[in-house]
Amino acid sequence: AQRVTQPEKLLSVFKGAPVELKCNYSYSGSPELFWYVQYSRQRLQLLLRHISRESIKGFTADLNKGETSFHLKKPFAQEEDSAMYYCALGGNTGKLIFGQGTTLQVKP
Amino acid sequence: DAGVTQSPTHLIKTRGQQVTLRCSPKSGHDTVSWYQQALGQGPQFIFQYYEEEERQRGNFPDRFSGHQFPNYSSELNVNALLLGDSALYLCASSLTTGSWQETQYFGPGTRLLVL
Repeated sequence: AQRVTQPEKLLSVFKGAPVELKCNYSYSGSPELFWYVQYSRQRLQLLLRHISRESIKGFTADLNKGETSFHLKKPFAQEEDSAMYYCALGGNTGKLIFGQGTTLQVKP
Repeated sequence: DAGVTQSPTHLIKTRGQQVTLRCSPKSGHDTVSWYQQALGQGPQFIFQYYEEEERQRGNFPDRFSGHQFPNYSSELNVNALLLGDSALYLCASSLTTGSWQETQYFGPGTRLLVL
């Protein structure tokens, strides 16, 4: 079965601390993984996707097929990073399967 | 480009009624997907439309139906509303090139409350 698991509902860190938002997936084919972010009162927007291998706003994520993980990392958290983060799994079918989301709270 | 737009922003209905939600895709996009997001949950895929046909469907009952128009805009219809249909309904648009689908861009959503 296709599934995305984000084990933490809430992650709270201090400004300047490293951040790692966990995402594990279950998929039998060739996965395509995404991180979407939703800032307060804004729409869901793409943060990054694994095939582009970009770093957006200092965030990176590496697809680990052996561990079926796609954790989101940032070395130094900023207060403006506070938001809801969703990991999503796509394949060749076009639909996205989302995790339940992790709220990142960056304290000053 | 205003991006993906949805209407209405909010809607209140009673059980048993029917509702129609509307979505206009981002300029240049030809594919529309609909998602349901219950409170505290991640979005769940309802279905996807491409070339005016339903291409993919998630685990939703037949009460949920849709349509895509020649200008690529789309409607989501829900019949015989249940209390459990209360949720944020998200529309996402993308461009399909061959068998590859590009990034999905989301609209602001329509919040439906069923009383």
